[in-house]
Amino acid sequence: DIVMAQTPLSLSVTPGQPASISCKSSQSLLHSDGKTYLYWYLQRPGQSPQLLIYEVSNRFSGVPDRFSGSGSGTDFTLKITRVEAEDVGVYYCMQGMQLPRTFGQGTKVEIK
Amino acid sequence: QVQLVQSGAEVRKPGASVKVSCKASGYTFTNSYINWVRQAAGQGLEWMGWENPDNDYTGYTQKFQDRVTMTRNISISTAYMELSSLRSEDTAVYYCASGRFPNRWGQGTLVTVSS
Repeated sequence: DIVMAQTPLSLSVTPGQPASISCKSSQSLLHSDGKTYLYWYLQRPGQSPQLLIYEVSNRFSGVPDRFSGSGSGTDFTLKITRVEAEDVGVYYCMQGMQLPRTFGQGTKVEIK
Repeated sequence: QVQLVQSGAEVRKPGASVKVSCKASGYTFTNSYINWVRQAAGQGLEWMGWENPDNDYTGYTQKFQDRVTMTRNISISTAYMELSSLRSEDTAVYYCASGRFPNRWGQGTLVTVSS
């Protein structure tokens, strides 16, 4: 199975300041079709996960443009340009390169 | 809009089975995989498997291979996940999520396994 490792595991951010989360995979997520199958999810407290970013850098429907994804191969980053109160929760990366799908451990983001 | 509505919380004794349902609306049910993901209290997300409602293809994580069955009823746009031989470690919230890569999620179903 592909192992996904996130850092940091927790993050405390002042509103309006940027935040960055790293995700590393144990194998390349670049498929022979040219796509890279890396996804980012946010799970707000008491809610179901929601998709933020698909295929490294594409924002899902309705996701604010303060969220952006980047990276290639095995190293990926989720950035929030200006953190807002509603961004609190746990962020997960997930690989879609092969079965079984696997998630990172999660990064808990809280507001200072 | 796409919506996945899951069945309510369940309590089971060790060794029993549980069947969770996931009713889809807002899209063509046969056009999209249904994934099942679980989350124990305070823990991360664990992908269990998926089903393609169009052709009944299923794929399960090896960990659950012998105990899980994923099915669907196309006529009512509903997917099901049945887990057997329950143990206390199966206590978790179980989510369904649509898409080849989970994009829309149900509200979750808490399954508690306790004697």
